[in-house]
Amino acid sequence: QLQLQESGPGLVKPSKTLSLTCSVSGDSINSRTYYWAWIRQPPGKGLEWIGSLYYSGNTNYNPSLKSRVTISVDTSKNQFSLELSSVTAADTAVYYCARDSRSAADNFYYYYMDVWGEGTTVTVSS
Amino acid sequence: DIQMTQSPSSLSASVGDRVTITCRANQRISDYLNWYQQKPGKAPKLLIYAASTLQTGVPSRFSGSGSGTDFTLTIRGLQPEDFATYYCQQSYSTPSLTFGGGTKVEMK
Repeated sequence: QLQLQESGPGLVKPSKTLSLTCSVSGDSINSRTYYWAWIRQPPGKGLEWIGSLYYSGNTNYNPSLKSRVTISVDTSKNQFSLELSSVTAADTAVYYCARDSRSAADNFYYYYMDVWGEGTTVTVSS
Repeated sequence: DIQMTQSPSSLSASVGDRVTITCRANQRISDYLNWYQQKPGKAPKLLIYAASTLQTGVPSRFSGSGSGTDFTLTIRGLQPEDFATYYCQQSYSTPSLTFGGGTKVEMK
């Protein structure tokens, strides 16, 4: 059974870099079938997609965060990571990692996030 | 960018009610639309993908419909465990994704 687990510091100082890791167990991250995504949720607010990673290392980022975000993969450890630089209080949120899976239909695919980590709270404060 | 707008942002309902939540895209996205349920302190849970396909294990009282720009999530016979926040998400531009703002279903 696939499980995802986020890990990293719960407190980050303003202007520093937030670093989180998502450990994948029960399946290989080295699969052509999936994307691997980071999503965040500020306190009391909705979900915001941060970015996604393909096993090959190709990435796509939310345009609003693109200048500050790096998502990378370590296939040897079956993990993928998030770095968000120059953080401010606005980056305080619960950060989730998720698998963006797909279902085939004719000549195209439907993608959906079917497995999520439990989330980790990151607070930006001095 | 594809923007998703949900309505209402919140609603009050009773057990047994039929509940309808609407999601609108600012451009046509065919049926590349997913619905998630989130309970307080928990990660979102996939309910429906491809606008109307029920994820395995999700009760049949949940249903989705729509195509193009307008979509609906319906809960027939609301149960106590259904009080939660619901989000739509477009997957038309995968891997670039966007969520709706959410609809909180509260007990009347």
